[in-house]
Amino acid sequence: NAGVTQTPKFRILKIGQSMTLQCTQDMNHNYMYWYRQDPGMGLKLIYYSVGAGITDKGEVPNGYNVSRSTTEDFPLRLELAAPSQTSVYFCASSPNRQGLLLRLRRAIYFGEGSWLTVV
Amino acid sequence: GENVEQHPSTLSVQEGDSAVIKCTYSDSASNYFPWYKQELGKGPQLIIDIRSNVGEKKDQRIAVTLNKTAKHFSLHITETQPEDSAVYFCAAKAGGFKTIFGAGTRLFVKA
Repeated sequence: NAGVTQTPKFRILKIGQSMTLQCTQDMNHNYMYWYRQDPGMGLKLIYYSVGAGITDKGEVPNGYNVSRSTTEDFPLRLELAAPSQTSVYFCASSPNRQGLLLRLRRAIYFGEGSWLTVV
Repeated sequence: GENVEQHPSTLSVQEGDSAVIKCTYSDSASNYFPWYKQELGKGPQLIIDIRSNVGEKKDQRIAVTLNKTAKHFSLHITETQPEDSAVYFCAAKAGGFKTIFGAGTRLFVKA
């Protein structure tokens, strides 16, 4: 299993440009998340999804959009990039609650991150 | 709103010494407390976790303790090694999908 794979790893955007961060997982996890991590700060939840076709806002959703057309994929869209969106973005997933050991149900598996700079 | 405070923000120890990172949570409904390790250029990885019905859990050189009354939980690393150098995040979860993360502790282990 590759786990959670996100691309690109690095990207520089100009103010006002748009882009999509891709995320895919091959663990058949129902739950997927997008976090951002600012320097010296913890992880802030942008959006999450509990299954294909279902998404919801996290703590900091403004300026972003997501979709979940399949279980595997959860892309994050930035429509009009702003300097405040300069950050490291992490996609993550966690398993279905049913049928697994409790510990495995709750663990979050992260991708390796995407470094985004908006200039 | 829910909050997790983590201290210290930076910790430097000599190889072989112990390291302790402390967290405090605000949501009394929190019942699951994972710890993540983030190495340079990588995503966070779960290293140990504890549930609210347990006071202490140990896994080789790492241990976690939980004081529900005080809403405190801590990570203890004994016999630290240079490869323990990383950023460590505590987190608290109260059910549902919301995991609240601390701001992280950057641990340096000096050889």
